[in-house]
Amino acid sequence: QDQLVQSGAEVKTPGSSVKVSCKASVGTFSNYAMSWVRQAPGQGLEWMGGIPIFGPASYAEKFQGRVTISTDESTNTAYMELSSLRSEDTAVYYCARDQGVVITSAFDIWGQGTMVTVSS
Amino acid sequence: QSALTQPPSVSGSPGQSVTISCTGTRTDVGHYNRVSWYQQPPGTVPKLIIYEVTRRPSGVPDRFAGSKSGNTASLTISGLQTEDEAYYYCSSYTSSNTGVFGGGTKLTVL
Repeated sequence: QDQLVQSGAEVKTPGSSVKVSCKASVGTFSNYAMSWVRQAPGQGLEWMGGIPIFGPASYAEKFQGRVTISTDESTNTAYMELSSLRSEDTAVYYCARDQGVVITSAFDIWGQGTMVTVSS
Repeated sequence: QSALTQPPSVSGSPGQSVTISCTGTRTDVGHYNRVSWYQQPPGTVPKLIIYEVTRRPSGVPDRFAGSKSGNTASLTISGLQTEDEAYYYCSSYTSSNTGVFGGGTKLTVL
C-alpha cells in the first residue's frame, strides 16, 4: 500500500531554516502532485504549497519567498524547506499526495506528520 | 487567499443528520468542482472522505455526502454515530493554482 514517511521532529531557533523530507513509493512523483500542509497546535489545517508532476511548484501567498517545495525522483523523496523561522511556525507539517497530476486539493494519502518547534 | 468559512461547531444525537457548510468565493468553491472534505479525530492524521464535491473514496460509508450550491459546499452526515465525532475540514482548489482549507468544524455527537 502506498505510504508517505516523513523525517523526524525538529527544534529550531528563530531566524533559522528547516527542511522536512517525505519519502514515497516508487513512481509517486511521476503520477501524482504533492502538497505540504501544516497544523499549529490546537489550530486548523493550512495549505502551504504544492508541486504538480510537470511544472513549477505553487505556493500560498502567505509563504511566498519563505518556502521551497521540491521532489527528487531518484530517491522518491519530496522536500519542504521553510526559512526565516519564527515562533508562529511551530506546527506539525504534513506532506500529502494529491489524487491528480496537478494540484486539486484532494489529498488521499498523508505522511505521519513532522513536529517543528521554533524556540529560542 | 482567505480561508474558507466553516461553522466552528455542530452537534447532533446518534441516528440524526447534521450538515456542515463551507463558504468560499467565485474564485474557488464557486468556480471549480474541486472541493474536498477531511475528517480528523483529535491526535490523528486527516482522512479524505469526499472529493470533487460529491465523490467518496473507497471505504467511506455512504452516510457521508457532499454537495455544492454557488459559493457554498456542504457535507451531510446521516445516521450519526459516536465514532463520527471529529473535526471536519473542507478544502478547494483556487484560481491562483493553490489550495485553501476551511477553518474546521468540530462535530460533537451528543
